Amino acid sequence: QQQVKQSPQSLIVQKGGISIINCAYENTAFDYFPWYQQFPGKGPALLIAIRPDVSEKKEGRFTISFNKSAKQFSLHIMDSQPGDSATYFCAATGSGSARQLTFGSGTQLTVLP
Amino acid sequence: NAGVTQTPKFRILKIGQSMTLQCTQDMNHNYMYWYRQDPGMGLKLIYYSVGAGITDKGEVPNGYNVSRSTTEDFPLRLELAAPSQTSVYFCASTVRQGTFFGQGTRLTVV
Repeated sequence: QQQVKQSPQSLIVQKGGISIINCAYENTAFDYFPWYQQFPGKGPALLIAIRPDVSEKKEGRFTISFNKSAKQFSLHIMDSQPGDSATYFCAATGSGSARQLTFGSGTQLTVLP
Repeated sequence: NAGVTQTPKFRILKIGQSMTLQCTQDMNHNYMYWYRQDPGMGLKLIYYSVGAGITDKGEVPNGYNVSRSTTEDFPLRLELAAPSQTSVYFCASTVRQGTFFGQGTRLTVV
């Protein structure tokens, strides 16, 4: 059972555009929602994260929007740059667990120059 | 402070061989994990540990074993390698600020 669904699978954006990646979860016990960025040959790197007590979190060009009632959250990359080209994973974890992450299937983002 | 360190970075195994993937962290984290990543898929949890001497199965534990004799080290053991274990393996550890991953081990079973 896939508990975190991520879309789209791939995304192509022009430089300067906005990249939007969406995730939906099923488990209402999840209480922490991070996004990871992964470059080829590297491990996932924590990009930004949100807890469900806020609806939005912004760090530089990266923003997470969170809709608790819909059980959805999304990553917005403003002014997308070619250096943002990477695979992005959403994830979720719950307070009662050993903090293990459940991952979405990933989105391969390509930002054209 | 090197974070999470995995060795080796690459390995080719023959079917039926065994090997240990090493993982060590120098941040005194209690929670550690092993994930595998297959092409086009997210990461799947193999095993995890909440502290020295405590381990538990994740989503895909079959064919693997782990041990956690110290806080720093969390090795993953493959006893009888199978082609289905061809994957990229990531070790990770967690603190309040989040979960941090090693650079991965790319394993090919032929």
